[in-house]
Amino acid sequence: DGGITQSPKYLFRKEGQNVTLSCEQNLNHDAMYWYRQDPGQGLRLIYYSQIVNDFQKGDIAEGYSVSREKKESFPLTVTSAQKNPTAFYLCASSRGAKSYNEQFFGPGTRLTVL
Amino acid sequence: AQSVTQPDIHITVSEGASLELRCNYSYGATPYLFWYVQSPGQGLQLLLKYFSGDTLVQGIKGFEAEFKRSQSSFNLRKPSVHWSDAAEYFCAVDLTGGGNKLTFGTGTQLKVEL
Repeated sequence: DGGITQSPKYLFRKEGQNVTLSCEQNLNHDAMYWYRQDPGQGLRLIYYSQIVNDFQKGDIAEGYSVSREKKESFPLTVTSAQKNPTAFYLCASSRGAKSYNEQFFGPGTRLTVL
Repeated sequence: AQSVTQPDIHITVSEGASLELRCNYSYGATPYLFWYVQSPGQGLQLLLKYFSGDTLVQGIKGFEAEFKRSQSSFNLRKPSVHWSDAAEYFCAVDLTGGGNKLTFGTGTQLKVEL
């Protein structure tokens, strides 16, 4: 079955450590996205990539980094510079980068920084 | 500033009752409009979308939404709610005029009483 996988589902890290969240899709989609979800704030775009080896900052990119070396993979690194990293992180992909292409979401990773 | 507003944080309805979830946006032109649903601890699933044409759109799971340009609204409706509809619902809007970024509302948590 085609879909998006995110691992792990739950992640705990100590303050000051970098952590990388995995996102893989087998939908053959060109575009991929990372969102952060906090209670009462909806989803906020961190980074997005329209094509391999290219990505753009979203609305809240500070303290995060990404790479897009393969079409199916779009890992997100939460660095120690992110001041409040505890959140639910969602990865999504779409066939193309235009918004009329439906975004398909992964199940999410809940990151807790202790 | 361009924005998306879901004025109801929580809504409780009885099973079998009708439902309307509100979404308002602030944007100069007609945006691309979406409704997503999220079950607890899960990713988001697209319910329906509107780009142009008939202002009443049908989606999955018996949901529909109506675009009202004069009110800058895109409210989600369902004639008869089922207990399995309990979830969080997000309105999302492309405020870039057909670009590649969605702005999400803060969500409405739906509780269904049996």
